[in-house]
Amino acid sequence: GAGVSQTPSNKVTEKGKYVELRCDPISGHTALYWYRQSLGQGPEFLIYFQGTGAADDSGLPNDRFFAVRPEGSVSTLKIQRTERGDSAVYLCASRSGVSAGELFFGEGSRLTVL
Amino acid sequence: KQEVTQIPAALSVPEGENLVLNCSFTDSAIYNLQWFRQDPGKGLTSLLLIQSSQREQTSGRLNASLDKSSGRSTLYIAASQPGDSATYLCAVGNSNYQLIWGAGTKLIIKP
Repeated sequence: GAGVSQTPSNKVTEKGKYVELRCDPISGHTALYWYRQSLGQGPEFLIYFQGTGAADDSGLPNDRFFAVRPEGSVSTLKIQRTERGDSAVYLCASRSGVSAGELFFGEGSRLTVL
Repeated sequence: KQEVTQIPAALSVPEGENLVLNCSFTDSAIYNLQWFRQDPGKGLTSLLLIQSSQREQTSGRLNASLDKSSGRSTLYIAASQPGDSATYLCAVGNSNYQLIWGAGTKLIIKP
């Protein structure tokens, strides 16, 4: 695609529910990142994929968070038993190749847990 | 441990002025440094990427410089316009994939 696409753009859920957030990166980009951003803060790293594998998942806050990228393209961030503290904007970014290069972001998915 | 600081947290200037945004980092062993712009409620837009071996990059009215030895980067915006109002973030490439982020500078250009 022309840019990084994230769905849904907004998600409101109740505490304890399960949520999936989807990211469709730029076509051909092998590197994919998930970040979380709270108001007035910089992005907080969650997980990095190179191809299909999670090369670094050290930013996932706990075992309620999980992300997959089964075919090396689209990625899904999964949050189980959501808590009010999970409320944030979840950002996805992609870039080409394995070396450090320009990062392109989607518009984000705003998650609100009531 | 790499730390990235952006000062000031907020800046308000009249339209037409040239201005400089600052980004400092503690470890000079970086891969690259990238400046982003974020509009309210939106994702981040890449402005400029400076590789470790480069001193500056330019795009239109924007110029970013990098001085690794002093741990500093500046983003220079010439002839500021109200449409430049946004939050500007810098991110330091700490490895071939890891980025360390500043908290951003919120810029307001007054008409």
